[in-house]
Amino acid sequence: EVQLLESGGGLVQPGGSLRLSCAASGFTFSSYAMIWVRQAPGKGLEWVSTINSGDVTYYAGSVKGRFTISRDTSKNTLYLQMNSLRAEDTAVYYCARTHQLDYWGQGTQVTVSS
Amino acid sequence: DGVMTQSPLSLPVTLGQPASISCRSSQSLVYSDGNTYLNWFQQRPGQSPRRLIYKVSNRDSGVPDRFSGSGSGTDFTLNISRVETEDVGVYYCMQGTHWPRTFGQGTKLEIK
Repeated sequence: EVQLLESGGGLVQPGGSLRLSCAASGFTFSSYAMIWVRQAPGKGLEWVSTINSGDVTYYAGSVKGRFTISRDTSKNTLYLQMNSLRAEDTAVYYCARTHQLDYWGQGTQVTVSS
Repeated sequence: DGVMTQSPLSLPVTLGQPASISCRSSQSLVYSDGNTYLNWFQQRPGQSPRRLIYKVSNRDSGVPDRFSGSGSGTDFTLNISRVETEDVGVYYCMQGTHWPRTFGQGTKLEIK
């Protein structure tokens, strides 16, 4: 059974940093693209970043240069390093599998506020 | 960036009646491999999104057959043949052809 479990969210001040993790199980992690999607309070879904099976990375313009996606295949874990956080980064962050997002995690809340 | 435009944004439906959601892309979603990467997601209240349909018309495992997807190029539709209580939530289309990936604004389905 495919499972994705996000962690690492919390309250951080503007300008601060946070690293999100997504623990994957039930499939060959290294063979799949992995994605981060976020949802601001009361808003729709926004694609944030993708890392493909060859570790090529892609970013939304709103986070490029501030966020870094990576993976550790020995730990079956996906990461999102978030720097220079802004109030508008406040959202639930979901990880998902494959370019077409076939499985999703339960999400982790990130709140950027002073 | 490509824009995905859904309509309607609010969809009140009587139980047992059909429902239809439109999704239009500002650019063709046909990829160089010949596939069209248009997906539909359902987000029930308080839950994570769940994929219903991939590549326009392919239903995911466990998705009831009252859900169907159709369309081509830039115009796509999600149909629900007979709405049930468990279908309440927000529906999103998403294109997986171009970078950056983009979602529609979401359509909120409620029971009338």
